[in-house]
Amino acid sequence: EAQVTQNPRYLITVTGKKLTVTCSQNMNHEYMSWYRQDPGLGLRQIYYSMNVEVTDKGDVPEGYKVSRKEKRNFPLILESPSPNQTSLYFCASSLRPTNEKLFFGSGTQLSVL
Amino acid sequence: GNSVTQMEGPVTLSEEAFLTINCTYTATGYPSLFWYVQYPGEGLQLLLKATKADDKGSNKGFEATYRKETTSFHLEKGSVQVSDSAVYFCALSGRAGGTSYGKLTFGQGTILTVHP
Repeated sequence: EAQVTQNPRYLITVTGKKLTVTCSQNMNHEYMSWYRQDPGLGLRQIYYSMNVEVTDKGDVPEGYKVSRKEKRNFPLILESPSPNQTSLYFCASSLRPTNEKLFFGSGTQLSVL
Repeated sequence: GNSVTQMEGPVTLSEEAFLTINCTYTATGYPSLFWYVQYPGEGLQLLLKATKADDKGSNKGFEATYRKETTSFHLEKGSVQVSDSAVYFCALSGRAGGTSYGKLTFGQGTILTVHP
């Protein structure tokens, strides 16, 4: 089944403790992206990747890192999480950077205490 | 830069009522426009799209027409069902300042609840 898989589904952590949210797609998509969803703000793009080893900042990249060493994986790293990073995170992918139909994962609800 | 504004929610309707969710946008050039739907506990799914002025996107009884003159892409459905309860996001795709090629800009989302 074609899908975007995120893990974990829920995560509670404390300020300053490094964490990684994994994202994997099995559709051989070139383009992958991370969004955060906050009430009243919709989805805001954190980082995106056009292809392997090609990443760039979105609208709200501060406090986040990403890597794209393999085509299928695009982990989101929070080196030193803070409470303002408490949010619902979504990974998404599409076949090409210009192919605008995004496939979304089920989301990761992160709480930073 | 690009931006999308949706009507404030939540929207509460009875089954078989008519639905309109307003969406207006600001963008340079000729963006593509989308509606995504998010069911409880799930990620977003593409509902419909339109790529040029006067195009009508449709799917599952939902429709939206790309109106360049009013910079709008309102979502409509003639008779909603309980299963349509979800969050609806309007979005556009286009270059912004030469960066983020193919990037989607989302509205804030509108919660729809349909009662039997």
